[in-house]
Amino acid sequence: KAGVTQTPRYLIKTRGQQVTLSCSPISGHRSVSWYQQTPGQGLQFLFEYFSETQRNKGNFPGRFSGRQFSNSRSEMNVSTLELGDSALYLCASSLAVGSDGEQFFGPGTRLTVL
Amino acid sequence: KQEVTQIPAALSVPEGENLVLNCSFTDSAIYNLQWFRQDPGKGLTSLLLIQSSQREQTSGRLNASLDKSSGRSTLYIAASQPGDSATYLCAVSPGVGNKLVFGAGTILRVKS
Repeated sequence: KAGVTQTPRYLIKTRGQQVTLSCSPISGHRSVSWYQQTPGQGLQFLFEYFSETQRNKGNFPGRFSGRQFSNSRSEMNVSTLELGDSALYLCASSLAVGSDGEQFFGPGTRLTVL
Repeated sequence: KQEVTQIPAALSVPEGENLVLNCSFTDSAIYNLQWFRQDPGKGLTSLLLIQSSQREQTSGRLNASLDKSSGRSTLYIAASQPGDSATYLCAVSPGVGNKLVFGAGTILRVKS
């Protein structure tokens, strides 16, 4: 059974540009969550999508957005990139409808903003 | 607001030693607690999931306990090996969909 996949694995962008990251969950999983990991702030929750609807949102500016498609694949977009957006972006999927499910993470996308 | 703390921040032990990693959380109203492992520059690997109604879970040389009332969890690693070297992260599910709140992690180094 394939795990969570994320593309691309690495990205280099310049300030002011925008970027789109993609996540394919484990087959059958309808919940996809996104996290930002930085050395200073650790792992922070960005948002969660379930059945194409944003179910939860973390405390990030509106430049960070996402969506989920009918096949459960998800994308997140960051507009007007800032140096501080450099981070490892991790995607997680879960089979659970509620809050008691196990989360499975992908390998991440390393974004560098110059 | 749920906060998760992990102690120690870093740990270095000789191979073969048994060790304990600690995790504490401020709000006992959690749905579950999950321990992860992260190798440098990689994603997270799920190690153990403990539901709120459970006291412990075991997988191989790993044993995790949960005391919801006191807001604590421990991850016990038996007979440590150099391959166990990684960052260990504790995360709780506060019941807001599938959102997880993470601790800062414990960096473990097992010396051969």
